[in-house]
Amino acid sequence: AQSVAQPEDQVNVAEGNPLTVKCTYSVSGNPYLFWYVQYPNRGLQFLLKYITGDNLVKGSYGFEAEFNKSQTSFHLKKPSALVSDSALYFCAVRDRSGNTGKLIFGQGTTLQVKP
Amino acid sequence: GAGVSQSPSNKVTEKGKDVELRCDPISGHTALYWYRQRLGQGLEFLIYFQGNSAPDKSGLPSDRFSAERTGESVSTLTIQRTQQEDSAVYLCASSLDMSAEQYFGPGTRLTVT
Repeated sequence: AQSVAQPEDQVNVAEGNPLTVKCTYSVSGNPYLFWYVQYPNRGLQFLLKYITGDNLVKGSYGFEAEFNKSQTSFHLKKPSALVSDSALYFCAVRDRSGNTGKLIFGQGTTLQVKP
Repeated sequence: GAGVSQSPSNKVTEKGKDVELRCDPISGHTALYWYRQRLGQGLEFLIYFQGNSAPDKSGLPSDRFSAERTGESVSTLTIQRTQQEDSAVYLCASSLDMSAEQYFGPGTRLTVT
């Protein structure tokens, strides 16, 4: 079965420090990979995606993610965290095969950046 | 341009009643999706529309759930005979096509009492 795992319910980091939010997946073939962010009382916002090509993908708000095929991971990173980055982050995958665009989401990781 | 909009933003209903949730996608987006987000959980796929057809309904949890899309635009998700376990935030998303990133609406928070 297809699945996405975000092993950490919460990540705490000090402002200015680098952050990593982990994601691993179990999907046949080479999936499309996405990160979304959900701020309190706001909708889900697209951050970045991996389709093909360079394993390091750059997205909105200074975030980037690294695709690692051998480890089936797509960890979200940022070199220097901001307090305003505090939010709920979701990793999602889409199977390239089949006739559906449905996304399979992880359970989410709460990022808390402290001043 | 306008993003995905959903109405109502909040809906409280009594167990056993039917509810209709509406989604207005971004203009020109051919793909439309419904997801459900239970408290403290990730998003759960419900249904995918391409145009007015639904090639993937695999996420609908029971026959009490149905959805339609008309004019390759507005979509309605209907839940019949609501149950307490239906309480969740229902999110709609649209994308240019099946492979593009999805843009989400603000959601409808459904509470079944």
